[in-house]
Amino acid sequence: ETGVTQSPTHLIKTRGQQVTLRCSSQSGHNTVSWYQQALGQGPQFIFQYYREEENGRGNFPPRFSGLQFPNYSSELNVNALELDDSALYLCASSLVPTGNTEAFFGQGTRLTVV
Amino acid sequence: QQQVKQSPQSLIVQKGGISIINCAYENTAFDYFPWYQQFPGKGPALLIAIRPDVSEKKEGRFTISFNKSAKQFSLHIMDSQPGDSATYFCAAKSGSARQLTFGSGTQLTVLP
Repeated sequence: ETGVTQSPTHLIKTRGQQVTLRCSSQSGHNTVSWYQQALGQGPQFIFQYYREEENGRGNFPPRFSGLQFPNYSSELNVNALELDDSALYLCASSLVPTGNTEAFFGQGTRLTVV
Repeated sequence: QQQVKQSPQSLIVQKGGISIINCAYENTAFDYFPWYQQFPGKGPALLIAIRPDVSEKKEGRFTISFNKSAKQFSLHIMDSQPGDSATYFCAAKSGSARQLTFGSGTQLTVLP
């Protein structure tokens, strides 16, 4: 186990609703990155949080937003859910935001939008 | 230029055989190349990683071969076991980047 925990593990939402996913980073890690993994594909970078600030974003619209708390845990919020948002959402924590440092992934939250 | 192309999409190997998964990249700024293993219902877990200053790295049954001039790298799993059955992702990252760029994955099945 990596020490990165995500909740909930599974979630079903209706199109148009809003969802919040949570992540607790590994002890000592101040950087959290979020990825979306569609079925049969590799993870795609959503954004990264470092010291409670968004520190980089991938090609995702503003309805994907996040937070990082003083204990370095993080939330991913998605507004106005679309069917294509159905995916496994992964949280990864690391010691530093850049450089060739290992990223430790949680088990993911499986989001289904109906 | 940020893509990492991975092949094959799926691979079936007999127990004891060698599994080989290949990846190619375009971005010459990439300088860290990890491989991740993912079991159903789990997040990716780091298997082994290499930097471009070496051409090969071995950890147990897992070996990464790296060809900088061809911009290709591969994962070799020796003596493949049924417990190795999982999805494998190659990834790449540059030192200044925040994110890993992943390949599309290879579903490996090792037959008993």
